Amino acid sequence: GAVVSQHPSWVICKSGTSVKIECRSLDFQATTMFWYRQFPKQSLMLMATSNEGSKATYEQGVEKDKFLINHASLTLSTLTVTSAHPEDSSFYICSARDPTAASGSYEQYFGPGTRLTVT
Amino acid sequence: AQSVAQPEDQVNVAEGNPLTVKCTYSVSGNPYLFWYVQYPNRGLQFLLKYITGDNLVKGSYGFEAEFNKSQTSFHLKKPSALVSDSALYFCASLYGNKLVFGAGTILRVKS
Repeated sequence: GAVVSQHPSWVICKSGTSVKIECRSLDFQATTMFWYRQFPKQSLMLMATSNEGSKATYEQGVEKDKFLINHASLTLSTLTVTSAHPEDSSFYICSARDPTAASGSYEQYFGPGTRLTVT
Repeated sequence: AQSVAQPEDQVNVAEGNPLTVKCTYSVSGNPYLFWYVQYPNRGLQFLLKYITGDNLVKGSYGFEAEFNKSQTSFHLKKPSALVSDSALYFCASLYGNKLVFGAGTILRVKS
């Protein structure tokens, strides 16, 4: 199956700094990627849909100025958490769909996640 | 509104016994349903999906799920549980381009 990677796998940063998380599709080109946030023992919350070459679409309640998303190429989307605060500490997961997959496949491929801790 | 419910926070089963993880859905139109598994500090792994066709769907690692339209359910099953099946399981529905997830069910398989 298709492979999605994330970097870094974990990061610790100080309050007020910015952190960039990368999501890459390794063996396919993804015109659309998705960013999720997951709190401990909870479900995934979709933050935004990242569209290659255009602005991301944010879900209601997600601050677009705080969570900057850039999808500059067909294999890379980045999420930058700006002016991070302890409440931003979470597990961030990206996913992508393979547009060349068989018609009707629909599944998303998930990255391994990034654990962000803001101190 | 599109929603997926997993009524059990946790399911405990003995190794070798059959397991069921429940999922019900509320969607408009034809549902596209998925099961994913998550191991600690990892992303989600795809198990199986129902798009159309046979109501019994077979997936990875011996898992299967039965789509029941009258009961709006898509329960995940396995005939014989393994300790290594212990993980967090998510049911999801595709809404447009987005996946809507249930709250997740922790499966614990004890030897």
